[in-house]
Amino acid sequence: DIQMTQSPSSVSASVGDRVTITCRASQDISTWLAWYQQKPGKAPKLLIYEVSNLQSGVPSRFSGSGAGTDFTLTISNLQPEDFATYYCQQANSFPRGITFGQGTRLEIK
Amino acid sequence: QVQLQESGPGLVKPSEALSLTCSVSGVSISRSHYYWGWIRQAPGKGLDWIGFIYYSGSTYYNPSLNSRVTISVDTSKNQFSLNLTAVTAADTAVYYCARLLSSGYSASWGQGTLVIVSS
Repeated sequence: DIQMTQSPSSVSASVGDRVTITCRASQDISTWLAWYQQKPGKAPKLLIYEVSNLQSGVPSRFSGSGAGTDFTLTISNLQPEDFATYYCQQANSFPRGITFGQGTRLEIK
Repeated sequence: QVQLQESGPGLVKPSEALSLTCSVSGVSISRSHYYWGWIRQAPGKGLDWIGFIYYSGSTYYNPSLNSRVTISVDTSKNQFSLNLTAVTAADTAVYYCARLLSSGYSASWGQGTLVIVSS
């Protein structure tokens, strides 16, 4: 099974800051990686797919990079609505499986 | 625009079966090249995949649940269902149904339904 490890588990930041979240895969997943945002009581929302492709309607302050085993999600100019939990997801083994990272909680400082 | 809605009991007794249905609107399950799946989230925890069913009927299950899970489609009702047998407290979670692209990503989710396993 492919394991996904996110860091940090939580991060505090202020409106206007730039934040970077890291996701590491236990084996090479090429560019089969997505990022989701989840707010309390809501379903996850797809932000980025295949490492760096912005889902329709997602603001351009969200960006992704990486390949192989190491990936990053960067949020520039943090807005109040960005405070949420973020998950990475690998799809290298889809449909025989997908794996999510454990999540990174982005909190207001 | 596709919409998904989960339904089913919110409380299930230990050792019994958990059955949920996902009603899909805006697209025909049987005529679109998508995967339809179930993903769950235990309270305060992360996301875990349960299984997927392709529009053709092929199924894929999480090996950790493989012997207990069945996903099926009712094309006449445009619904797909989850059946998880022999549940324990560890199966307490919010259960989401989702539509996944052939690439394995999901931009379409149901709102989620909380299922508590308790006597």
